[in-house]
This record gives sequence, C-alpha cells and structure tokens, in this order.
Amino acid sequence: DGGITQSPKYLFRKEGQNVTLSCEQNLNHDAMYWYRQDPGQGLRLIYYSQIVNDFQKGDIAEGYSVSREKKESFPLTVTSAQKNPTAFYLCASRWTGLTGELFFGEGSRLTVL
Amino acid sequence: GQQLNQSPQSMFIQEGEDVSMNCTSSSIFNTWLWYKQDPGEGPVLLIALYKAGELTSNGRLTAQFGITRKDSFLNISASIPSDVGIYFCAGQVTNFGNEKLTFGTGTRLTIIP
Repeated sequence: DGGITQSPKYLFRKEGQNVTLSCEQNLNHDAMYWYRQDPGQGLRLIYYSQIVNDFQKGDIAEGYSVSREKKESFPLTVTSAQKNPTAFYLCASRWTGLTGELFFGEGSRLTVL
Repeated sequence: GQQLNQSPQSMFIQEGEDVSMNCTSSSIFNTWLWYKQDPGEGPVLLIALYKAGELTSNGRLTAQFGITRKDSFLNISASIPSDVGIYFCAGQVTNFGNEKLTFGTGTRLTIIP
C-alpha cells in the first residue's frame, strides 16, 4: 500500500546524544516536511524539501538537521543542540502545486531522559 | 511563525449532538484543509476546500471556506464515539514552488457517555 512510513515509533535517548528519525514515502510526492507537536499545541514546521538535494528551514529549525538524497526519503536528525527535544515528530509529504494536500505519517515519539 | 486561531480549544458533548468549530486568520488563504488526529497517530485529512464560499461534505462532516478567505468552519452532525480526537484546520497561501501550510492549535473533542 502507498503511504508514509516513520520509524521508530518510539525512541528513548540520553541527553546530549544525536538521534535520527526516518521518513520514507512511496507516493511519488515531490515535497516532504517535518513537523514537531507538543501537548496542547499545533504543528510547528521544522524543515521542508520541495526537491531532491534541496531543503529549507521552517519556523523552528534550530537544533535539527535534514537531508534529501532521494525523493522518497527525508530523515531528520535531532542534535544535542536542540534544547527541548522531547516531542512527537510528524513527517508529511505532498505533490507540489495548487491542490497538493498534505499526507502524514504515523509519527515518532522521542523522549530524552 | 504564523498560527491560525482555532476555537473552541476543547469540547465536551454527548453522543448524538452536533459539533461546530472554526478557524480564523488575519491573512487570506487560497486553500483550507481540515484534519483529525487520534492519540499517538498522525493527522488524517478529512476535507479540502479550494474556493471562497465553497461548502463541502464528507459523510457527517461539512466544511465551508469563508467568503473573506480568512476563515473556515467544520461541522459534525450526530456525533459518534469514533469522532473523539483532535481536529486541526490548516490554511495555505499559493506561492508557486514554496507552498506551506499554517496549522491551527486544534480542537479537542470529547464525548461524554
């Protein structure tokens, strides 16, 4: 089935460690996005990519890094520079253009101990 | 980053009641989307609106794109237990090659037994 796969679903890490969250899509979408969700808040954009080998910072990019080496993959690294990394992370993708609705993966919950 | 004003923040209703929620913005949007998120899952697209004044239904759900292009409404008729979750609105300004969604802060729907 076509869709967006995020892994792992749950991740625990010690403070000061970098972690990488995986996002793969087989929908042939051009654009991919990473959002962060905290309790009681909406979705905040971390990074997005409209095309392979290119990406842009979102509203809260500090402490995060991404790569887009393949169309179907957009991994997110949460670095030790991120002050409050414990959160629910959502990957999404869409076709670019006027009516490209955003589709989400199931999310990854990162807990930093 | 910009966020939409979504209200109410939470709703407690009895099964069978109708539900109304809305989003307002100080900016004009070209597209409005409504998503539902179950606990620990990614948001799922419910309805997409592309034209000012448009009224679109999806089963018991009806959404409208406000005439001013600065607001949108979602109604759920005859609520059932599986309607429980968080509902998000999202607005998009068409900026060819650089479309981004702005999300509301969500409406949490709880059904009282």
